[in-house]
Amino acid sequence: GIQVEQSPPDLILQEGANSTLRCNFSDSVNNLQWFHQNPWGQLINLFYIPSGTKQNGRLSATTVATERYSLLYISSSQTTDSGVYFCAVSYTGANSKLTFGKGITLSVRP
Amino acid sequence: EAQVTQNPRYLITVTGKKLTVTCSQNMNHEYMSWYRQDPGLGLRQIYYSMNVEVTDKGDVPEGYKVSRKEKRNFPLILESPSPNQTSLYFCASSLGDSRNQPQHFGDGTRLSIL
Repeated sequence: GIQVEQSPPDLILQEGANSTLRCNFSDSVNNLQWFHQNPWGQLINLFYIPSGTKQNGRLSATTVATERYSLLYISSSQTTDSGVYFCAVSYTGANSKLTFGKGITLSVRP
Repeated sequence: EAQVTQNPRYLITVTGKKLTVTCSQNMNHEYMSWYRQDPGLGLRQIYYSMNVEVTDKGDVPEGYKVSRKEKRNFPLILESPSPNQTSLYFCASSLGDSRNQPQHFGDGTRLSIL
């Protein structure tokens, strides 16, 4: 099956700093989503971005499908950005399931 | 508000006592799915449904049952729960084939089986 690797595994930021989270995948994908899992365990859908660039407030994401990676940018980080960020992909032959990366744990210090 | 609703959010129960986790979506989505999340193992698919009366096994179906009698509902049934089913469970839905559509997740259900 497809491999999804996220880096770095852990990230500690001071409030107000910017960061880039990376997701590499081993095969062509039809669907790529970024999620934020907050401290209460909820999975918040950030972006559906199988290709191209999208922005939502302080967050933006870029997927370069031909090079098999996606980046999530967080600008002017806030303590509420803390949590785990997951990249998940789906591809032809995957029975529509999402394959998740192991996640990036982000801690934003005040 | 478009959403996927799971109930209960938290449950502590004992081995062997049948339980059902309900999942309902109000977006008229065809595709629904159940995942479980465990430390070190990530999120894994349990069962999925492409439409009413159509269900199939995911990666970790053992010990679980599902049904899809109505489009909006996709309950997860544990006939005889065991401690290794202690986990965080998520229901998800998408419009049509989720390989080309975003999946929307419920808030999760924390199950503890003693």
